Amino acid sequence: GNSVTQMEGPVTLSEEAFLTINCTYTATGYPSLFWYVQYPGEGLQLLLKATKADDKGSNKGFEATYRKETTSFHLEKGSVQVSDSAVYFCALSGYYKLSFGAGTTVTVRA
Amino acid sequence: EAQVTQNPRYLITVTGKKLTVTCSQNMNHEYMSWYRQDPGLGLRQIYYSMNVEVTDKGDVPEGYKVSRKEKRNFPLILESPSPNQTSLYFCASSLEGANEKLFFGSGTQLSVL
Repeated sequence: GNSVTQMEGPVTLSEEAFLTINCTYTATGYPSLFWYVQYPGEGLQLLLKATKADDKGSNKGFEATYRKETTSFHLEKGSVQVSDSAVYFCALSGYYKLSFGAGTTVTVRA
Repeated sequence: EAQVTQNPRYLITVTGKKLTVTCSQNMNHEYMSWYRQDPGLGLRQIYYSMNVEVTDKGDVPEGYKVSRKEKRNFPLILESPSPNQTSLYFCASSLEGANEKLFFGSGTQLSVL
């Protein structure tokens, strides 16, 4: 079945540091890949998505590229801010459900 | 404002006392789903509904029921809650299915004593 493996946290960074969160997946077919973000006390929000191999999703300075050859969808941001502190989830779509990774807690210090 | 509304936000109950968590969306979405979030496990799907006529089990349906009598509402029912159902619950919806952008509610933190 489909599954997602996400790097464990927590991750603590200083402002303006580079952020990478690794995500690899196992899937049949050609799923879409997503990154969702959960701010404290809130529900999840879509951060970015990619629907096919070599697609790059981007939003709010975050980027991730759908790599079929390495079955990966790593999230990156070049310069993080305190407001980026959140839990980040990598997810893979089937038609009926998303399969989520365990989540990575990111804390950015001023 | 487009949103998914869950109630209540917090709920403490005792083993065996039936409860319902409500979920409503105002976006005319066909697809709705329930997830539970547990530390280290991410989100796991409980039930989903493709439309008012199609509802099916997700990965962890044991101990839960749902109904989809109207397009906008998708309540989660725990007939006889047990402590292992203590969790953070999220309702989500999308236009057609899980391969589209999901809109999530703010969550319901349930504690079963």
